[in-house]
Amino acid sequence: DIQMTQSPSSLSASVGDRVTITCRASQSISGHLSWYQQKPGKAPKLLIYTASNLQSGVPSRFSGSGSGTDFTLTISSLQPEDFATYYCQQSYSTPYTFGQGTKLEIK
Amino acid sequence: EVQLVESGGGLVQPGGSLRLSCAASGFVFSGYSMNWVRQAPGKGLEWVSYISSSSSTIYYADSVKGRFTISRDNAKNSLYLQMNSLRADDTAVYYCARAYFWSGRTTFDYWGQGTLVTVSS
Repeated sequence: DIQMTQSPSSLSASVGDRVTITCRASQSISGHLSWYQQKPGKAPKLLIYTASNLQSGVPSRFSGSGSGTDFTLTISSLQPEDFATYYCQQSYSTPYTFGQGTKLEIK
Repeated sequence: EVQLVESGGGLVQPGGSLRLSCAASGFVFSGYSMNWVRQAPGKGLEWVSYISSSSSTIYYADSVKGRFTISRDNAKNSLYLQMNSLRADDTAVYYCARAYFWSGRTTFDYWGQGTLVTVSS
């Protein structure tokens, strides 16, 4: 199975900050990487697919990059509604594994 | 508007069975592969199972293989997960999620609100 490791596991930041979350795969997954946002009690929401494509309706302050084994999610200027938990997921091969999550909290 | 609505969750004893349903609307259900993903209380996301649009291809996580069965009825726009021999570690919110394929790659673009399954005596 492909292991997905996110860092950091938690992060405190302020409104307006630029934030980067990283995700590393245990083997190359090409661009088969998605990012999701999840708020408490809610379903995950797709933000980024195929590593760098912004899902329709997602604000442009979110961006994704990377290929192979190393990927990043960047939020250019944090907004109050961005405080949530973020997950990466590989869809290169089954089982479609997720990272352990990064909880983004208000400083 | 794409909608996925899960149902069928509840409290079940260890060793028992439960059947989850996911009702789809707002898109051509028969044209999309579907997935089940679960989340144990306070934990991260775990992919459970995948079914292709025609049911010809099915995958399971090792943790549920041999106990869970995914199926779909395209005429009823519905996805199912039959869960047998349930264990305490199957306790989770179960989400159905639509698979979107783009440029040879897949992602989960729409998710239901989830249904809670609790396995306890």
